[in-house]
Amino acid sequence: DAGVTQSPTHLIKTRGQQVTLRCSPISGHKSVSWYQQVLGQGPQFIFQYYEKEERGRGNFPDRFSARQFPNYSSELNVNALLLGDSALYLCASSLASAVSYEQYFGPGTRLTVT
Amino acid sequence: KNQVEQSPQSLIILEGKNCTLQCNYTVSPFSNLRWYKQDTGRGPVSLTIMTFSENTKSNGRYTATLDADTKQSSLHITASQLSDSASYICVVKEGSTLGRLYFGRGTQLTVWP
Repeated sequence: DAGVTQSPTHLIKTRGQQVTLRCSPISGHKSVSWYQQVLGQGPQFIFQYYEKEERGRGNFPDRFSARQFPNYSSELNVNALLLGDSALYLCASSLASAVSYEQYFGPGTRLTVT
Repeated sequence: KNQVEQSPQSLIILEGKNCTLQCNYTVSPFSNLRWYKQDTGRGPVSLTIMTFSENTKSNGRYTATLDADTKQSSLHITASQLSDSASYICVVKEGSTLGRLYFGRGTQLTVWP
């Protein structure tokens, strides 16, 4: 059974551009969370979606947005890219948003902003 | 403020040696604590998960302990291997409806031959 998949693997953008990252959860998982991991730091929570609705949002500017589709896959969009947006973006899926469900992480998308 | 602190920040050991990584947290209410292994540029992979009532959990050469009273956890690695070189991240899940995860910065472990 396939795990969480993310695309693309790597991405290079210039300042001011927009980027869309994609995530496909494990089959049967209905919740997707997005995290930003800057080099040398732990992941920082960006969004959680469950059943296509936003259930939580971290301390990120409005340039960051996301959505979840009927098949539970998700997209993370970042507008007006800054150099500081360079990071590994991780997607994690879980069966539901409840406390007891473990999150499984994808391999991440490495975004470099020049 | 909910926080997870890990020590040491980095550690170098020789192959075959044991080591212990530390994690202190202030997350409340508490749901569970997990240790993840993250290879460079890859997503974290779960090693162990412990709830409030569990004191020790093992996964092969990895043994995690949890003291919920003092809010401390440790990850002990036995007979280290070169492939153990990675970042080890302590993650505490909040015991709320949202169940948000709080991540430590990780301990970067390097195993030398």
